[in-house]
Amino acid sequence: GAGVSQSPSNKVTEKGKDVELRCDPISGHTALYWYRQSLGQGLEFLIYFQGNSAPDKSGLPSDRFSAERTGGSVSTLTIQRTQQEDSAVYLCASSQDGGGGYFGPGTRLTVL
Amino acid sequence: QKEVEQNSGPLSVPEGAIASLNCTYSDRGSQSFFWYRQYSGKSPELIMFIYSNGDKEDGRFTAQLNKASQYVSLLIRDSQPSDSATYLCAVNLNSGNTPLVFGKGTRLSVIA
Repeated sequence: GAGVSQSPSNKVTEKGKDVELRCDPISGHTALYWYRQSLGQGLEFLIYFQGNSAPDKSGLPSDRFSAERTGGSVSTLTIQRTQQEDSAVYLCASSQDGGGGYFGPGTRLTVL
Repeated sequence: QKEVEQNSGPLSVPEGAIASLNCTYSDRGSQSFFWYRQYSGKSPELIMFIYSNGDKEDGRFTAQLNKASQYVSLLIRDSQPSDSATYLCAVNLNSGNTPLVFGKGTRLSVIA
């Protein structure tokens, strides 16, 4: 079946602009996670959705970051007033049975 | 503070040898453990998971878990140049769908 998909694959934006990143999880997966990975760095947890529960937003680095998940499926990560330090690869993962997340291909965000 | 520690490497092994990748974690309550492989420019790919003390084998890969020592390892037998990648260790406090805590990864280089 289809894996996790993300769009766009690349996004170049100017400092101060807002961006939206999209994630389509594997069908039937109840859990969805957003991480980001900066060049040469490890994976940084951002936010986690589980079914209809309130999301775990403990990893969001500032109030410029927000995310929503509509209908328990597609998720959108929004970054407002982007800064250069927001440049990274944003990775989405989904899982069903606690057996670890399956990652999408990521969105490479570059803030000029 | 939940931490997962890995030697950054690079770990260089000759083709056909056994590669041994190690990981320690700080939270004694951790329940499940995962190994991901990440090729340069790609997203992480789940290759192994282990929940119980002991060894778990899958093809050329063996995961080893020692909860008393808070230590998990990945052995790759008959290493191939295509195994050259960064290997990420990830730990979950629960057996359910909660965010994984990732180590920064060990870079493996298999020399032909």
